[in-house]
Amino acid sequence: GDSVTQMEGPVTLSEEAFLTINCTYTATGYPSLFWYVQYPGEGLQLLLKATKADDKGSNKGFEATYRKETTSFHLEKGSVQVSDSAVYFCALSERGFNKFYFGSGTKLNVKP
Amino acid sequence: SAVISQKPSRDICQRGTSLTIQCQVDSQVTMMFWYRQQPGQSLTLIATANQGSEATYESGFVIDKFPISRPNLTFSTLTVSNMSPEDSSIYLCSAPGQGGNEQFFGPGTRLTVL
Repeated sequence: GDSVTQMEGPVTLSEEAFLTINCTYTATGYPSLFWYVQYPGEGLQLLLKATKADDKGSNKGFEATYRKETTSFHLEKGSVQVSDSAVYFCALSERGFNKFYFGSGTKLNVKP
Repeated sequence: SAVISQKPSRDICQRGTSLTIQCQVDSQVTMMFWYRQQPGQSLTLIATANQGSEATYESGFVIDKFPISRPNLTFSTLTVSNMSPEDSSIYLCSAPGQGGNEQFFGPGTRLTVL
């Protein structure tokens, strides 16, 4: 079955550090891939997405590239800010279906 | 994108009681989804709510415990019945965006059962 595996957290970085959160997936078809962010006390917000192999999703300085050969969708940001402190979820959805599979979430703490 | 609201935003309930959570979407959608997020955990899909038909429940979730209504294309309710402290979680509803392959989430309902 479909599944998503994320690196465990928490990840603690200093402001302006480089961020990578690893995400790999298992899927039977041709999934779309997503990163969602959950700020403290809030619901999930769509951060970025990619719908096919080699697509790069980007938003607010974050980016992730859909790598079919390595079944990965790692999240990166060149310079994190304190305001990026949140929990990040990787997710997939098979094309044509609405059911989502979420990773376990990675908590990011950014220190000033 | 879809804008989704939920009520209540949080509640503290007594064991054995029931709580109904409302979810409103700003556009018509065929499917709406209900998730549970236990403290410090990821999201678990409870059920898919289709307008005009019975909800489809995931393994481990049953209609008697989590009855769902879907009276129209913009609204759904989830009831958590006969609550116990183990039901303390965040409950989120979601709906697809116009593009169809992404989901947007409500802000969640934070439930504490004493």
